[in-house]
Amino acid sequence: EAGVTQFPSHSVIEKGQTVTLRCDPISGHDNLYWYRRVMGKEIKFLLHFVKESKQDESGMPNNRFLAERTGGTYSTLKVQPAELEDSGVYFCASSQEDTGRVHNYGYTFGSGTRLTVV
Amino acid sequence: QKEVEQDPGPLSVPEGAIVSLNCTYSNSAFQYFMWYRQYSRKGPELLMYTYSSGNKEDGRFTAQVDKSSKYISLFIRDSQPSDSATYLCAMKAMSYGKLTFGQGTILTVHP
Repeated sequence: EAGVTQFPSHSVIEKGQTVTLRCDPISGHDNLYWYRRVMGKEIKFLLHFVKESKQDESGMPNNRFLAERTGGTYSTLKVQPAELEDSGVYFCASSQEDTGRVHNYGYTFGSGTRLTVV
Repeated sequence: QKEVEQDPGPLSVPEGAIVSLNCTYSNSAFQYFMWYRQYSRKGPELLMYTYSSGNKEDGRFTAQVDKSSKYISLFIRDSQPSDSATYLCAMKAMSYGKLTFGQGTILTVHP
């Protein structure tokens, strides 16, 4: 089973530019999550998709961040325009549907995209 | 105040030592408790999970949850150099909900 795939692995952009991060979840996983770790801080939740719908986007920092999940498969996270404080590692995670009998205690994470805004 | 507090360390122990990692939390709604291990330049990898209070053992790893004290622990017995990593506690209120992480503890096990 292929894991969660994220690309690019690294991205260096200038302030004001646009960057798009992509996440391919494990096939069949309806739940897809985005998290971010800023240097020196804990990993923080950004948003949660169930299939193509946004279930919870309470962690999105501001309207410069736009997440989409086309057809309930892969997801993209666009930052436009990027600011210096957006630098960090962006993680994607996925899990299968919680049926009530199969509990999604833990999620499978990708290796992350390291974003540096200069 | 952070919802989850975890001492970032770093923690350095000799091979074979027993390691104790801990987190405290403030949100009484948390019911699902996890420990993740993260190697450098990799994503977090689920190590242990526990629902509500109690103990869980898996090989050299034991996870404990004390909801009355809002305190969770991870014990690693007979630690190995390959255990050197960052250990993250994480918790959530619902089975499908967002995870709230601690800052992570950097562990080094030296031969």
